[in-house]
Amino acid sequence: GAGVSQSPSNKVTEKGKDVELRCDPISGHTALYWYRQSLGQGLEFLIYFQGNSAPDKSGLPSDRFSAERTGGSVSTLTIQRTQQEDSAVYLCASREVAPNQPQHFGDGTRLSIL
Amino acid sequence: GQQLNQSPQSMFIQEGEDVSMNCTSSSIFNTWLWYKQDPGEGPVLLIALYKAGELTSNGRLTAQFGITRKDSFLNISASIPSDVGIYFCAGRMDSNYQLIWGAGTKLIIKP
Repeated sequence: GAGVSQSPSNKVTEKGKDVELRCDPISGHTALYWYRQSLGQGLEFLIYFQGNSAPDKSGLPSDRFSAERTGGSVSTLTIQRTQQEDSAVYLCASREVAPNQPQHFGDGTRLSIL
Repeated sequence: GQQLNQSPQSMFIQEGEDVSMNCTSSSIFNTWLWYKQDPGEGPVLLIALYKAGELTSNGRLTAQFGITRKDSFLNISASIPSDVGIYFCAGRMDSNYQLIWGAGTKLIIKP
């Protein structure tokens, strides 16, 4: 079956522009996560969505970052007024909310801020 | 925040050698996961461990959930070129939905 799909796969933009990244989770997965991965680093948690519950935004690094999940499926991560330090790979993962179900990852969006 | 110490940071090995890497935590986890990430792709789950002392294999990979619940190791036997990549451990405490991630072990096979 289809895995987690992210788009675009690569995005290059100028400093100060807004960007929007998209994640299509696996069908039926009600939990969705966004992570940021800087070059050569581990995964930094950004935000978590679960069903209709209020999202856990505790990992968002600044108020320039926001995310939505409409209809409990597709999610978009928006970065406003991008800065060079925002350059990273942004990974999305989804999982079934059941005991011992792992996260399944998309291939990420590689964001480069010039 | 919570941290996992993953070591080594990188490994240069000869094809055919066995590989061992581990993660330790100051907190008790009830789940340990090992993922592999190839360049340009997202992490892919290799092995999941849910019980202290559990030893699980997946082909040439073996992972164990430490008896103290604060550590885990991953072994790869008879490494092959496609084993190259970055290996991440991740742990979960109690019923928390968040995973705590190690910084990764980069595996490089010498030609």
